[in-house]
Amino acid sequence: QSVLTQPPSVSGAPGQRVTISCTGRSSNIGAGYEVHWYQQLPGTAPKLLIYGNSNRPSGVPDRFSGSKSGTSASLAITGLQAEDEADYYCQSYDSSLTGVVFGGGTKLTVL
Amino acid sequence: EVQLVESGGGLVKPGGSLRLSCAASESTFNDVWMTWVRQAPGKGLEWVGRIKSKTDGGATDYAAPVKDRFIISRDNSKNMLYLQMNSLKAEDTAVYYCVTEYQLLWNNCFDAWGQGTLVTVSS
Repeated sequence: QSVLTQPPSVSGAPGQRVTISCTGRSSNIGAGYEVHWYQQLPGTAPKLLIYGNSNRPSGVPDRFSGSKSGTSASLAITGLQAEDEADYYCQSYDSSLTGVVFGGGTKLTVL
Repeated sequence: EVQLVESGGGLVKPGGSLRLSCAASESTFNDVWMTWVRQAPGKGLEWVGRIKSKTDGGATDYAAPVKDRFIISRDNSKNMLYLQMNSLKAEDTAVYYCVTEYQLLWNNCFDAWGQGTLVTVSS
């Protein structure tokens, strides 16, 4: 059981918008620790997608956006493309565990 | 962007030891906090532990499942990161990634990842 809770799967048709939630608690997201998101394409290493709740590294399309409110965060993907099919993970820090925590991951399927 | 190449993975028996290495391409390695993240087959990402830069004291932190069994070290003169794994268990079977940390205010993110090296613990 992961400290950060994500839906196991989401899906959408090309061109649609999908969101992936990441729910934490008062010792991690709710404590103010930044949330980061990673994309893992099949058979590859994860890649940083969103950092500091809502910032995109250079080269990440603006179709990807992040937000945070209270004890939760969300990743939104607009204009869904086939190449977006991947696993997505949120990550934060937990002061009770004194360590980095990940969500369990969400598999995005592009229909 | 820094390139990271892990090595040292393989098959090891329960209770055995293994040392993973990670070669970094840039001299700025000295100033970077480094982390190990693992991923069991078909499972999600799990943070293993980190080592701070020498400038920031070089301290280490570990996740509870590996504390007292794993040791992270670095050789800044060689741009190398290491993960010494002792008393290995079947549940340590995973791909191990070497990762650089990008420093933020409260919680660093992981901005460069190696390709990973597979460790299999089995008799």
